Amino acid sequence: SQQGEEDPQALSIQEGENATMNCSYKTSINNLQWYRQNSGRGLVHLILIRSNEREKHSGRLRVTLDTSKKSSSLLITASRAADTASYFCATDARGATNKLIFGTGTLLAVQP
Amino acid sequence: ETGVTQTPRHLVMGMTNKKSLKCEQHLGHNAMYWYKQSAKKPLELMFVYNFKEQTENNSVPSRFSPECPNSSHLFLHLHTLQPEDSALYLCASSQDGLAGGDTQYFGPGTRLTVL
Repeated sequence: SQQGEEDPQALSIQEGENATMNCSYKTSINNLQWYRQNSGRGLVHLILIRSNEREKHSGRLRVTLDTSKKSSSLLITASRAADTASYFCATDARGATNKLIFGTGTLLAVQP
Repeated sequence: ETGVTQTPRHLVMGMTNKKSLKCEQHLGHNAMYWYKQSAKKPLELMFVYNFKEQTENNSVPSRFSPECPNSSHLFLHLHTLQPEDSALYLCASSQDGLAGGDTQYFGPGTRLTVL
């Protein structure tokens, strides 16, 4: 079964720096989503990129998708302490119902 | 707030207890989901309901019993659980559970501890 795998597993940066997280998956997709989770809380949807898109922006977030390499990256620019959270990518599968497969996540710590 | 609420937020139960988790969504969505999140493991999909009908059971043990009386409410009935069932249980909803890759909206979760 396909699975998103995030890299790195953990990332620690200083406030103001950029943070880049990567996600790899195994099978063809309709779209890929990124979610954020604060400790012990539910996931919050950040951005969705479709398989025919290569790049998408939302505020300080930039997501890229390379379907030939089956990979995506999430860039958070000018990070803030409030960005500290776990970030997950989630993929669906072509032809399947609305079943999302989540990766293990990247734990981002932004030091003030 | 995402429009999805879960109660209780924390639950401690013994292995012989019976308890229920409740999820309610105020978004008018047609699909609802139960996930299990254990430490250092990917989020595991447990059940999917579309228009009140169960469309996915991801090989979940029968000690977990879901119920979806209408499109806004979802329950997870628990009985004779094991300590390894301790985890964060997340409920989610989406507009159309039959569309590929619909955005899901999550509740805050129930932290379950089985003694």
